[in-house]
Amino acid sequence: GENVEQHPSTLSVQEGDSAVIKCTYSDSASNYFPWYKQELGKGPQLIIDIRSNVGEKKDQRIAVTLNKTAKHFSLHITETQPEDSAVYFCAAVDSNYQLIWGAGTKLIIKP
Amino acid sequence: GAVVSQHPSRVICKSGTSVKIECRSLDFQATTMFWYRQFPKQSLMLMATSNEGSKATYEQGVEKDKFLINHASLTLSTLTVTSAHPEDSSFYICSARGSGIETQYFGPGTRLLVL
Repeated sequence: GENVEQHPSTLSVQEGDSAVIKCTYSDSASNYFPWYKQELGKGPQLIIDIRSNVGEKKDQRIAVTLNKTAKHFSLHITETQPEDSAVYFCAAVDSNYQLIWGAGTKLIIKP
Repeated sequence: GAVVSQHPSRVICKSGTSVKIECRSLDFQATTMFWYRQFPKQSLMLMATSNEGSKATYEQGVEKDKFLINHASLTLSTLTVTSAHPEDSSFYICSARGSGIETQYFGPGTRLLVL
């Protein structure tokens, strides 16, 4: 079955700098990759997603890149702000439409 | 974007009692709903998948008689934790997905504390 690995587990960046979180997946049949942001005590919130027919997608300060050949995808946050502090999860949707989660990255924005 | 609500947000109950958690899709029809459990500092663990009008499919190791799921309409699913015990204390989160769509939208979660 599908397996998703996510790195790093914790990422600390200075406010205003960029943050990059990387994920790899194992099932080449997976074709949808969402990213979720989870704040403490809240449910995950979809922040961006990408399908396998696209290599990059941007939404203001957030971008996701996908390399199908290497089976990895990354989240890029530019000009980080304090409110970006949260746990970020990558995921891949398998052939049964189930989300296979990465382990999560705790992003800390230092003022 | 699609909105999913959960009620209650927090519940405290005595050991041995049952607790019902509601999950609603507010602005779309959720043909499939998912129930997750999350332990501190961990990823979400899928408990069960339910399709409207059908019996839920439970993940391995999840007791279907303990965690009763009902998905009676396209906008409502309920999770009932029966005869709750302290080890059932956790953060329960639902998500919903429309027909033919991969995206899951999550509710805000329910914190259950069993004393």
